[in-house]
Amino acid sequence: DVVMTQSPLSLPVTLGQPASISCRSSQSLVHSDGNTYLSWFQQRPGQSPRRLIYQISNRDSGVPDRFSGSGSGTDFTLKISRVEAEDVGVYYCMQGTHWPPYTFGQGTKLEIK
Amino acid sequence: QVQLVQSGAEVKKPGASVKVSCKASGDTFTNYDINWVRQATGQGLEWMGWMNPNSGETGYAQKFQGRVTMTSNTPISTAYMELSSLTSEDTAVYYCVLIWFGVWGQGTLVTVSS
Repeated sequence: DVVMTQSPLSLPVTLGQPASISCRSSQSLVHSDGNTYLSWFQQRPGQSPRRLIYQISNRDSGVPDRFSGSGSGTDFTLKISRVEAEDVGVYYCMQGTHWPPYTFGQGTKLEIK
Repeated sequence: QVQLVQSGAEVKKPGASVKVSCKASGDTFTNYDINWVRQATGQGLEWMGWMNPNSGETGYAQKFQGRVTMTSNTPISTAYMELSSLTSEDTAVYYCVLIWFGVWGQGTLVTVSS
């Protein structure tokens, strides 16, 4: 199974400041079809996860443009350009290239300083 | 866009089984693979398996093989996940998910307690 490793696991951020979360996979996530199936999810307290980004850098509908994804191969990053109060929660990366199984990172808890 | 609505919270005794339902609305049910993901309290996300409502094909995570069954009733656009031989370690929120479309149900809390 592909292991997804996120860092940091805890991310205190001042409002208005940028934030960055790293996600590394134990093997390349480039699929034989040429796509890379790496997604990012946000889970606010008490809510279901919500997908923010798919295939590395594509924002889902309604996701603010302060969220961006980048990376390739085994190294990926989620960036928030200016953190807002509503961004508090846990962020997960997930790979869908080498499924089954789909595998998630451990989660990064973003909080406001 | 399709929406997923799950059944309500359950409390079960150790050794029992639980069956969680997930009703889809807003699009053709058989167009999508239904995945199930669980989350123990304060923990991360764990993929359990998937099923294709059109073909009935299923695939389960090794951890749950022999203990989980995923089915569907296509006329009522509903998928089911049944987990047997419950222990306290199965206490979690269970989500049905359209992984490729990023659509999640609201979650069903299953509590296993004597």
